[in-house]
Amino acid sequence: NAGVTQTPKFRVLKTGQSMTLLCAQDMNHEYMYWYRQDPGMGLRLIHYSVGEGTTAKGEVPDGYNVSRLKKQNFLLGLESAAPSQTSVYFCASNAAGDGELFFGEGSRLTVL
Amino acid sequence: RKEVEQDPGPFNVPEGATVAFNCTYSNSASQSFFWYRQDCRKEPKLLMSVYSSGNEDGRFTAQLNRASQYISLLIRDSKLSDSATYLCVVNSRGGGADGLTFGKGTHLIIQP
Repeated sequence: NAGVTQTPKFRVLKTGQSMTLLCAQDMNHEYMYWYRQDPGMGLRLIHYSVGEGTTAKGEVPDGYNVSRLKKQNFLLGLESAAPSQTSVYFCASNAAGDGELFFGEGSRLTVL
Repeated sequence: RKEVEQDPGPFNVPEGATVAFNCTYSNSASQSFFWYRQDCRKEPKLLMSVYSSGNEDGRFTAQLNRASQYISLLIRDSKLSDSATYLCVVNSRGGGADGLTFGKGTHLIIQP
């Protein structure tokens, strides 16, 4: 039972580099989310999707882009990484917007 | 006032004791409430939903007080394995996919 899988789990970037985080879920969920978690802060929503081909901005979208070309995948891109984007990124999915969230194991990103 | 507030702790509690902590929310129109558990360096996982009538799951009891705008979590006969961070989650925007607001968490340490 894979659930929600994130890759990569760890990455170190230099300022200005780009990268993409991949989230895959095998539960046929409509809704997918990207959150970031920083020390002393709650989980904050970056972007989300309510279905294949749709994306929407969350609370902290600046500096990130997303795509949901396939229902099972939700990609988070950083076009030009900044040290402020050093964080733990969690992908999550659920069947309905208000239901239980299923999280991936997280991706730890460090931007130097 | 922040949308969702929790005492960060840590709460240091001896094994077998009862511990309770609250979470306050600012939006009186909030409709859904949850407790998630997050172990160190792991992803959050749903512990329980919080219903208007309160609910109990084994040693865990969650209650909602709409008049005072807080939810509570009570853990009886605490176990070492209960050590974790407990996240209060409130849907503050009428049930929409972007409406979940996470508290910063309460850190609980059960001591032998």
